[in-house]
Amino acid sequence: DVKVTQSSRYLVKRTGEKVFLECVQDMDHENMFWYRQDPGLGLRLIYFSYDVKMKEKGDIPEGYSVSREKKERFSLILESASTNQTSMYLCASSLGSRGWHSPLHFGNGTRLTVT
Amino acid sequence: QKEVEQNSGPLSVPEGAIASLNCTYSDRGSQSFFWYRQYSGKSPELIMSIYSNGDKEDGRFTAQLNKASQYVSLLIRDSQPSDSATYLCAVLAIKAAGNKLTFGGGTRVLVKP
Repeated sequence: DVKVTQSSRYLVKRTGEKVFLECVQDMDHENMFWYRQDPGLGLRLIYFSYDVKMKEKGDIPEGYSVSREKKERFSLILESASTNQTSMYLCASSLGSRGWHSPLHFGNGTRLTVT
Repeated sequence: QKEVEQNSGPLSVPEGAIASLNCTYSDRGSQSFFWYRQYSGKSPELIMSIYSNGDKEDGRFTAQLNKASQYVSLLIRDSQPSDSATYLCAVLAIKAAGNKLTFGGGTRVLVKP
């Protein structure tokens, strides 16, 4: 079974802090994604990556950056956390070359609260 | 018009009955379709994928795809209380600028004993 592991289940940070959310997958998947999920807004794509050191903006990249130095690890960075970034963050991975044809496998999520 | 639309529910279904969930999409270039189940407080998990017109069955789940009418549906037969969850429809469109996967807002299903 594919395992996607997010480093923290719950996180509480203060406004202005730099926040790192880590995600590791163990199935050698090429594609990795970061989503946020909010009530009434559904799943929204923040950033994704097709390969090491590659990144592409999703639908809501503002206020976020990402890093993919190794194939199995994809980090989401909040440069200066704000209260409107309080959300559930979901990491996902999928098999395939520059493609999303194969289904996404999600991590357990990180519930981030910014106070 | 949203790219992928689902009725938010809740869809209330008696135990043992069939739950029928619908999803419509706007992009005629869409080629791959997925149903995810998400329990409250948990992450989505894939339950079905379908790529061609017609029905695809997997246990108590049947996905139905009609590309001409631009809808995909999910049937849950013999519904159980453990099926109570939010079901997300996801649609993949192939575009020159890059593939795009879009999620619907989800349908909440309540199975009552």
